[in-house]
Amino acid sequence: GENVEQHPSTLSVQEGDSAVIKCTYSDSASNYFPWYKQELGKRPQLIIDIRSNVGEKKDQRIAVTLNKTAKHFSLHITETQPEDSAVYFCAATAYGQNFVFGPGTRLSVLP
Amino acid sequence: NAGVMQNPRHLVRRRGQEARLRCSPMKGHSHVYWYRQLPEEGLKFMVYLQKENIIDESGMPKERFSAEFPKEGPSILRIQQVVRGDSAAYFCASSGDTDQPQHFGDGTRLSIL
Repeated sequence: GENVEQHPSTLSVQEGDSAVIKCTYSDSASNYFPWYKQELGKRPQLIIDIRSNVGEKKDQRIAVTLNKTAKHFSLHITETQPEDSAVYFCAATAYGQNFVFGPGTRLSVLP
Repeated sequence: NAGVMQNPRHLVRRRGQEARLRCSPMKGHSHVYWYRQLPEEGLKFMVYLQKENIIDESGMPKERFSAEFPKEGPSILRIQQVVRGDSAAYFCASSGDTDQPQHFGDGTRLSIL
């Protein structure tokens, strides 16, 4: 079955700097890769996703890149702000399969 | 367009009682997933259901836990004879299909006294 690893587990950056979180997956059949943000005490919220027929996707300060050959995908946050502080989860899935979530990255943006 | 609705938001039970957690998926979604989350930890998959069918229950303990998604009404996660270790946040998510985004509810925080 699918296995998703996520690094780093914690990340601290200065406000205004960039943050990068990387996930690797094991199942080459996986073709959909969402990213979720979970603030303390709240529900996970989808922030961006990418499918395997696309190499990169951007939405304002957030971008996701996918390397199918190496089986990894990354979340990039530019010009970080304090409100970006949260736990971020990546996931991978193929049609007919469940999402497999990574263990999460706790991002702290220091003012 | 209402999102995923979970109730109750908070549930307190004594050891040995039963807990029933409810989840109404987003309109148009027929796939429902239940996850458990302990403080400071990740999302642990429990069960995946489609209308009237359990598709995958590999993450759900065989004893005391059950789930259903009837033709009419919400999906229900049922925990019988609760123990202290059942204390956690239980999130429900729904999607239009397996390779579509899952949208999460606000969760039920279960506390066992």
